[in-house]
Amino acid sequence: NAGVTQTPKFQVLKTGQSMTLQCAQDMNHEYMSWYRQDPGMGLRLIHYSVGAGITDQGEVPNGYNVSRSTTEDFPLRLLSAAPSQTSVYFCASSYDHRAIAYNEQFFGPGTRLTVL
Amino acid sequence: GENVEQHPSTLSVQEGDSAVIKCTYSDSASNYFPWYKQELGKGPQLIIDIRSNVGEKKDQRIAVTLNKTAKHFSLHITETQPEDSAVYFCAAKKARGSTLGRLYFGRGTQLTVWP
Repeated sequence: NAGVTQTPKFQVLKTGQSMTLQCAQDMNHEYMSWYRQDPGMGLRLIHYSVGAGITDQGEVPNGYNVSRSTTEDFPLRLLSAAPSQTSVYFCASSYDHRAIAYNEQFFGPGTRLTVL
Repeated sequence: GENVEQHPSTLSVQEGDSAVIKCTYSDSASNYFPWYKQELGKGPQLIIDIRSNVGEKKDQRIAVTLNKTAKHFSLHITETQPEDSAVYFCAAKKARGSTLGRLYFGRGTQLTVWP
């Protein structure tokens, strides 16, 4: 298994540009999520999905869109990039989101995004 | 929602010494507490976790303790080695409510182990 993969590893954008960060997992996990990591702020949840066709907002969703058309893929779209979106983005997945299942959340290697 | 606080933000120890990182949580509905290690340039990786019906769990040099009454849990690393140097995150997961299944993370602790 490749686990959780993310592309690209690095990206530089100009303010106002749009782009999509790709995330895929081959573990048949129901739950997928996107986090951003900023210095001193830990990991903040952007959006998450509990299954194909179901998405919901996390704590910092503004400026980002997601969709979940398949179990494997969970892309994150930046609609109009802003310097405040300069960050490291991590995708994560776990088998099940339910509280009765204490499932490990697996993280991808991250995408380092700079918005000029 | 849930609020997870983590201390200290940085920790430096000599090789062979012990390191302790502490976290508190606010919501008594949280029932699962994982710890993640993030090495430079990589994604976080689970190193140990504990459920709310257990007070302590050990795995070789690492251990986690949980005090449900006080709503705090701690990571203990004994006989530290330079390869333990990393950022460590604690997290909490709620058993019920509208945010069922979400992980709430602390802000991280940068551990440096000096040889």
